[in-house]
Amino acid sequence: EIVLTQSPGTLSLSPGERATLSCRASQSVSSSYLAWYQQKSGQAPRLLIYGASSRATGIPDRFSGTGSGTDFTLTISRLDPEDFAVYYCQQYGSSYTFGQGTKLEVK
Amino acid sequence: EVQLLESGGGLVQPGGSLRLSCAASGFTFASYAMHWVRQAPGKGLEWVSGISGGGDITYYADSVRGRFTISRDNSKNTVYLQMNSLRAEDTAIYYCAKKMSARPYFDYWGQGTLVTVSS
Repeated sequence: EIVLTQSPGTLSLSPGERATLSCRASQSVSSSYLAWYQQKSGQAPRLLIYGASSRATGIPDRFSGTGSGTDFTLTISRLDPEDFAVYYCQQYGSSYTFGQGTKLEVK
Repeated sequence: EVQLLESGGGLVQPGGSLRLSCAASGFTFASYAMHWVRQAPGKGLEWVSGISGGGDITYYADSVRGRFTISRDNSKNTVYLQMNSLRAEDTAIYYCAKKMSARPYFDYWGQGTLVTVSS
């Protein structure tokens, strides 16, 4: 099973700043089967990025994803107050696994 | 508009059973695989089970294989999760999720239903 490790665990930033979240896989993720989700408190997760770099429907272009192999990054170019949430990466190899999450909080 | 509405959660004793349902609308249900993902209180996301659009192929996490059974009724646009031999560690919010066509991602999620396993 592929294990995803996200860093940092918590990221403290201010609105307008740039956020960089990391997701590292224990082995190569095939065909960039890597996605990012946002989960706000008390809500279901929402798909942000799939295929490592494609934005899902309705996702603002301040969200971008990069990476391949074992190292992936989610970047939020200018933080909006509504972006403070927990972010998860997810991969599919022989099974589906999620990272443990990065909490993005207001500094 | 895609909507997924879970039901059937509640309090159950260890060793007990529960059946979750997820009613779908807003898309051609039989054309899409459906999955269940859970989240223990204060914890991260864990994939639980999935089923193909036709219902002939099922998938399970090792943690639930042999105890949980996923099924679907395409005439009712509903997917089910039968949970037997429940354990305290099964306590979680259970989300129903629609899988993207031909891609291993979940593009729509329900609001979840809480399952609590406790004596």
